[in-house]
Amino acid sequence: EADIYQTPRYLVIGTGKKITLECSQTMGHDKMYWYQQDPGMELHLIHYSYGVNSTEKGDLSSESTVSRIRTEHFPLTLESARPSHTSQYLCASSEYGRMNTEAFFGQGTRLTVV
Amino acid sequence: AQSVTQLDSQVPVFEEAPVELRCNYSSSVSVYLFWYVQYPNQGLQLLLKYLSGSTLVESINGFEAEFNKSQTSFHLRKPSVHISDTAEYFCAVSVLGQGGKLIFGQGTELSVKP
Repeated sequence: EADIYQTPRYLVIGTGKKITLECSQTMGHDKMYWYQQDPGMELHLIHYSYGVNSTEKGDLSSESTVSRIRTEHFPLTLESARPSHTSQYLCASSEYGRMNTEAFFGQGTRLTVV
Repeated sequence: AQSVTQLDSQVPVFEEAPVELRCNYSSSVSVYLFWYVQYPNQGLQLLLKYLSGSTLVESINGFEAEFNKSQTSFHLRKPSVHISDTAEYFCAVSVLGQGGKLIFGQGTELSVKP
């Protein structure tokens, strides 16, 4: 079983609030990713990191930001939540240096902005 | 640009019947291919992957997929499904040289009826 954890699992929050979605992994993986998944749609990469102090934007533009101060921790922050941010957010990690390594996923955070 | 197309958004099937979930991809460079499964309210779990070698790959729970380079397909099959196979299935590609980032299809909802 993959050791990657996301909190909270579910979050309902009002417009304009600042939120942070937590993601932690205990596998020592250097690569970490955030994907956004809308109902019935594919997952889209919004952020990724290849190690501490490394962060990059993904293929889908997002108003969220990420940080990577520690290897095991990759939080995602929305400074001012809007209803358009309502979605499921999935965090993943994989080993660095092995291009064919599978990605391990957390259980996701389902965010609803009202 | 690379893309993944899953041709069926929903596949209803009776228990013990065979099933095929279709996946086509487009890429001008070498790719690795994956099938992930997502059970309700869970994250994604790797089902099987094609990296190189034999074009037929198998999972431990009876699924198999065949890489067909000429047709750019990676269809998932199971000869006899169980109720417990009910889930969302995602096909994904990882492009060689792009750091392990995954590009996902839209997903196929497999619904197994008794």
